[in-house]
Amino acid sequence: LAKTTQPISMDSYEGQEVNITCSHNNIATNDYITWYQQFPSQGPRFIIQGYKTKVTNEVASLFIPADRKSSTLSLPRVSLSDTAVYYCLVPNSDKLIFGTGTRLQVFP
Amino acid sequence: DTGVSQNPRHKITKRGQNVTFRCDPISEHNRLYWYRQTLGQGPEFLTYFQNEAQLEKSRLLSDRFSAERPKGSFSTLEIQRTEQGDSAMYLCASSGRGREVNTEAFFGQGTRLTVV
Repeated sequence: LAKTTQPISMDSYEGQEVNITCSHNNIATNDYITWYQQFPSQGPRFIIQGYKTKVTNEVASLFIPADRKSSTLSLPRVSLSDTAVYYCLVPNSDKLIFGTGTRLQVFP
Repeated sequence: DTGVSQNPRHKITKRGQNVTFRCDPISEHNRLYWYRQTLGQGPEFLTYFQNEAQLEKSRLLSDRFSAERPKGSFSTLEIQRTEQGDSAMYLCASSGRGREVNTEAFFGQGTRLTVV
């Protein structure tokens, strides 16, 4: 079973910032948190990974509080092309297990 | 193109037939995963390999499913006596240059299986 919990769906408008929070209460000391994005009929694609505090790349930012029991993916100024399913993963017994993800719908 | 190649992209088969899918991972990657995904669901873990060793199979994987990774390179997933419930997208992913699980996984485009 996936070790993460995240909202099933979210709606936004173009140009807004979107924050998707994931809880992972049983994260292990050595585990990193990884987020993937998936478009219909495609395989998931890596977005960002972090261990603590804040990580930023050209696509998103990842905020991880000190207790590491949750994380927030932040997508700045979303566009229609950001409509996708977003998955938060932590390793599960040395393998990658996906939950149902968060379906983000961006409206014009 | 992620560098992970899956063939075929689409497969239509009659119920009861056997099918085999192939995955060519990124060459230096040690880990290889197989997932199954149906509409509206996240990818469901099936099995994974560390080099040529199959480390775990999902309990959901019936004995009609078998996977191999000879020589730790490409992998095949075979489904025997297909059933309509096997219709899904089958995804392959590869990652890692060691035993580290906290590395980015690269996914192929998947093989869409339709059992009629």
